[in-house]
Amino acid sequence: DAGVIQSPRHEVTEMGQEVTLRCKPISGHDYLFWYRQTMMRGLELLIYFNNNVPIDDSGMPEDRFSAKMPNASFSTLKIQPSEPRDSAVYFCASSFLGTAYGYTFGSGTRLTVV
Amino acid sequence: TQLLEQSPQFLSIQEGENLTVYCNSSSVFSSLQWYRQEPGEGPVLLVTVVTGGEVKKLKRLTFQFGDARKDSSLHITAAQPGDTGLYLCAGADGGNQFYFGTGTSLTVIP
Repeated sequence: DAGVIQSPRHEVTEMGQEVTLRCKPISGHDYLFWYRQTMMRGLELLIYFNNNVPIDDSGMPEDRFSAKMPNASFSTLKIQPSEPRDSAVYFCASSFLGTAYGYTFGSGTRLTVV
Repeated sequence: TQLLEQSPQFLSIQEGENLTVYCNSSSVFSSLQWYRQEPGEGPVLLVTVVTGGEVKKLKRLTFQFGDARKDSSLHITAAQPGDTGLYLCAGADGGNQFYFGTGTSLTVIP
């Protein structure tokens, strides 16, 4: 398996634009997590899915953020409209049976909003 | 939200030295994991501990879970430049998610 695949690796966009981040989890994993990492706040959980269903989105900062998982092999995190304070590295991670075996992280998307 | 505090926040040492990193919380965890994150990459799982007092070794790395399952430590013997990275602990409270610590950034100078 190629691991968790995220795209794009880097994204630079202007304030107010829509940004879509993509994630392909490991085949067979039933949990998918979206995290945001900054120097100030560390690794923050935004939302997680179990069997494609959103379970906890309490970490989503505000209505500008939305996430979907239309099938077991694909998820998106969308920010509309983007703001400079959204600049961070966004990670997707997947796991089998939640916390039983640990998470496999993707390489992340570095987002810069100017 | 479970809070895990890691110390020190930053650590810079010479190659060959020993070091210990700590992960502390007021909460009890059913299991705890340690990850290492290299620049430009996502965290990679190093070890999982589940039993209070458990000690696991991974080559020069020794991981210990506190007796009360509220804290953990990571000891590195004879650090090498390849050990450089951000070390993250993560605790599970029996639910479906891990709560990540604040991280320790380690730099090993050749």
